[in-house]
Amino acid sequence: DAKTTQPPSMDCAEGRAANLPCNHSTISGNEYVYWYRQIHSQGPQYIIHGLKNNETNEMASLIITEDRKSSTLILPHATLRDTAVYYCIVRVFSGGSNYKLTFGKGTLLTVNP
Amino acid sequence: GAVVSQHPSRVICKSGTSVKIECRSLDFQATTMFWYRQFPKQSLMLMATSNEGSKATYEQGVEKDKFLINHASLTLSTLTVTSAHPEDSSFYICSASRGAEIEQFFGPGTRLTVL
Repeated sequence: DAKTTQPPSMDCAEGRAANLPCNHSTISGNEYVYWYRQIHSQGPQYIIHGLKNNETNEMASLIITEDRKSSTLILPHATLRDTAVYYCIVRVFSGGSNYKLTFGKGTLLTVNP
Repeated sequence: GAVVSQHPSRVICKSGTSVKIECRSLDFQATTMFWYRQFPKQSLMLMATSNEGSKATYEQGVEKDKFLINHASLTLSTLTVTSAHPEDSSFYICSASRGAEIEQFFGPGTRLTVL
């Protein structure tokens, strides 16, 4: 069962920042938030992950609220190639030394010219 | 770095036959590999987790005798769909991880069509 809630779809103008929200109100203290995206008929692509601090890499920024109950993925300058389904995932411990990702329905981001 | 490949990318088979899908980590050693299935317009569903040299751990509702997983080396895992039926037609995606604390890297997926 996915532990996250995301809007089913969002639109963004090319060149503008895309801010994708995610609620994870039942997250535990040691569970990470991961973001992946999937372009049609391809495997998911890792974007970023974080625990409690804000994170930034060459693809995006991740802003996590202080209570860790929600986060926002920011694509600073969206391009048409950023059109994809974006998944916000709480990584959970699954036993032994394993963790697993449970994918929800994600947000379909459409970047418009 | 962190490239995962799958072979074949597409396969069409007759009902009742078995199909093997390979998943390889090309530039890193994957201690853990995961197999997912994705039906049209749905999200990815985890089928099983496998650690190199160990038996795979299957998710609830996934038949381990139908979906055989082998993870014999740190760079290769295989999924065999035995006695495939049309309802097994799906997009099968693997991912690989270097360790428990690291992100999963996904392969490009294999489209299986059972006639």
